[in-house]
Amino acid sequence: ETGVTQTPRHLVMGMTNKKSLKCEQHLGHNAMYWYKQSAKKPLELMFVYNFKEQTENNSVPSRFSPECPNSSHLFLHLHTLQPEDSALYLCASSQLGGGATTEAFFGQGTRLTVV
Amino acid sequence: AQKITQTQPGMFVQEKEAVTLDCTYDTSDQSYGLFWYKQPSSGEMIFLIYQGSYDEQNATEGRYSLNFQKARKSANLVISASQLGDSAMYFCAMREGRNTGNQFYFGTGTSLTVIP
Repeated sequence: ETGVTQTPRHLVMGMTNKKSLKCEQHLGHNAMYWYKQSAKKPLELMFVYNFKEQTENNSVPSRFSPECPNSSHLFLHLHTLQPEDSALYLCASSQLGGGATTEAFFGQGTRLTVV
Repeated sequence: AQKITQTQPGMFVQEKEAVTLDCTYDTSDQSYGLFWYKQPSSGEMIFLIYQGSYDEQNATEGRYSLNFQKARKSANLVISASQLGDSAMYFCAMREGRNTGNQFYFGTGTSLTVIP
């Protein structure tokens, strides 16, 4: 098993659809993140979960709804998206308690296209 | 102010040559970590190297080294003996010791192309 696994790898959805992105980490970490990466833009932090509690929501529209049922799994529920939401969605995990010393491990991303 | 600044949108390097990718950072914390990631066209972000603010020696990992100049707040990545497989986007990132929000701050990235 790789450290952080994201499914699906590719997703095409219509604006009226509802879909979910899944992220699973096998590293024993206690923090998980969702990032959005649009073409020619820097990574945008969307959500942070520490010990399953959401600690950061960077003004993300409500059509994106995160869920963290346990420290190993993170979901991003999508509904009524817009074409500008097409992007690469990256999940990451890290370990709290190490201060600034611990790196984030990323999944391979879900490439989302909204039509 | 930007936490991480990468001023080189694109860089070219001849195969087997060394290349330096620039990164400057902004923080008032005494304790922080600096990271470099590689992102090939497949999309995955691959961790390359880490430098702690209290580390006196520059970090090295194989062909990667980090030129850490604390007073100048710079953390440049040096790739020696470039290979064709090094062609990718490279991101500099920082995590602050206070872990406010526990987030990582990323730069805008540098696209590196290795020329055969």
